[in-house]
Amino acid sequence: DAKTTQPPSMDCAEGRAANLPCNHSTISGNEYVYWYRQIHSQGPQYIIHGLKNNETNEMASLIITEDRKSSTLILPHATLRDTAVYYCIVRVSRSSSASKIIFGSGTRLSIRP
Amino acid sequence: DAMVIQNPRYQVTQFGKPVTLSCSQTLNHNVMYWYQQKSSQAPKLLFHYYDKDFNNEADTPDNFQSRRPNTSFCFLDIRSPGLGDAAMYLCATSREKGGEQYFGPGTRLTVT
Repeated sequence: DAKTTQPPSMDCAEGRAANLPCNHSTISGNEYVYWYRQIHSQGPQYIIHGLKNNETNEMASLIITEDRKSSTLILPHATLRDTAVYYCIVRVSRSSSASKIIFGSGTRLSIRP
Repeated sequence: DAMVIQNPRYQVTQFGKPVTLSCSQTLNHNVMYWYQQKSSQAPKLLFHYYDKDFNNEADTPDNFQSRRPNTSFCFLDIRSPGLGDAAMYLCATSREKGGEQYFGPGTRLTVT
């Protein structure tokens, strides 16, 4: 699975959009971009994933650049409950041999009141 | 609500005393995973089951074993815990290999 690079920490004001970047310049054509987050003392939580097109769900939006070498997770209206470590992961989906998630160091997002 | 349940949330064991951590799921997912997460580190996969097929990570110590008696339950056995095995142990499930994973709340293991 391709490696990812994320800033170690970011902060954002409550109510504003939080934009979390991720670089994955060695991504392969069949690898998806996944985002998970881990709130303190809880298990990681799946947020969203995508291959080429931008994706949106009830939690967030995922913007993937045309060359697929980077992406941005957008939390449109951040709240204090969004304070967590956010992990960007690239992996093959539905593969018989690539079931594992390799977590990088992630971005620690702090939401300030 | 369908979910992944881990019991207990906190477990204390003595150095060298075998311990078993439990995970159950009501999602009816085919795949179950065990991760280890040490303080201030990212989770690291130990092994996973695809149905009854066990898959061990190459760097998982022999001290760690797992059992999956049925679809709903999976156990992590640590045969002789050392102080370095103190960590949060996370169970996760996915419908199929490569799909999004759903994590339990974790069991925090302390070794005294």
